[in-house]
Amino acid sequence: DAGVIQSPRHEVTEMGQEVTLRCKPISGHNSLFWYRQTMMRGLELLIYFNNNVPIDDSGMPEDRFSAKMPNASFSTLKIQPSEPRDSAVYFCASSLSGSSSYNEQFFGPGTRLTVL
Amino acid sequence: AQSVTQLDSQVPVFEEAPVELRCNYSSSVSVYLFWYVQYPNQGLQLLLKYLSGSTLVKGINGFEAEFNKSQTSFHLRKPSVHISDTAEYFCAVSENNAGNMLTFGGGTRLMVKP
Repeated sequence: DAGVIQSPRHEVTEMGQEVTLRCKPISGHNSLFWYRQTMMRGLELLIYFNNNVPIDDSGMPEDRFSAKMPNASFSTLKIQPSEPRDSAVYFCASSLSGSSSYNEQFFGPGTRLTVL
Repeated sequence: AQSVTQLDSQVPVFEEAPVELRCNYSSSVSVYLFWYVQYPNQGLQLLLKYLSGSTLVKGINGFEAEFNKSQTSFHLRKPSVHISDTAEYFCAVSENNAGNMLTFGGGTRLMVKP
């Protein structure tokens, strides 16, 4: 299994530009999570999808951020326009959610975003 | 809502010494508890988890953690650390009605010195 795949691994852009981060979850997983990691705020959950439907987006910072999951094998996180304070490492994670107990989240390697 | 506190942002320790990384949580309902490890420039990897049953949980790489409900703690321990254990360690909690959503602590950087 290839694990969770994220692209690009590194992104450097200028303030005001649109940024799109991509994630391919593990095949068969039905839950997908986007996290942001910064020194100041640690790891924050941005949004959570279950069966391609956004369940909780309360962590999305503001309207400049949007996330989509058009199918079970692909998700995007878009920032438009980007600002320097968006610089962070963005992680995608996936899991197989069932009706009971808990199922492990598997994390991708992350995308390091730098906004100049 | 739940929260997680990792009291130590950095823990320096010599190789082969024991280590304990502290984690306390707050929640109004039953929870699942986790420790993740993050090596430099990598994603997070699950070390161990507590879902139910025995309060002493053993994980990978010789780590273990003990769930203490009365003290709302889930401290991580290893009797003898190696240089390769140098990494960031995150404690996380999921309320068991929260659909696998995790809340992470701020992380503890374990620095193992020769």
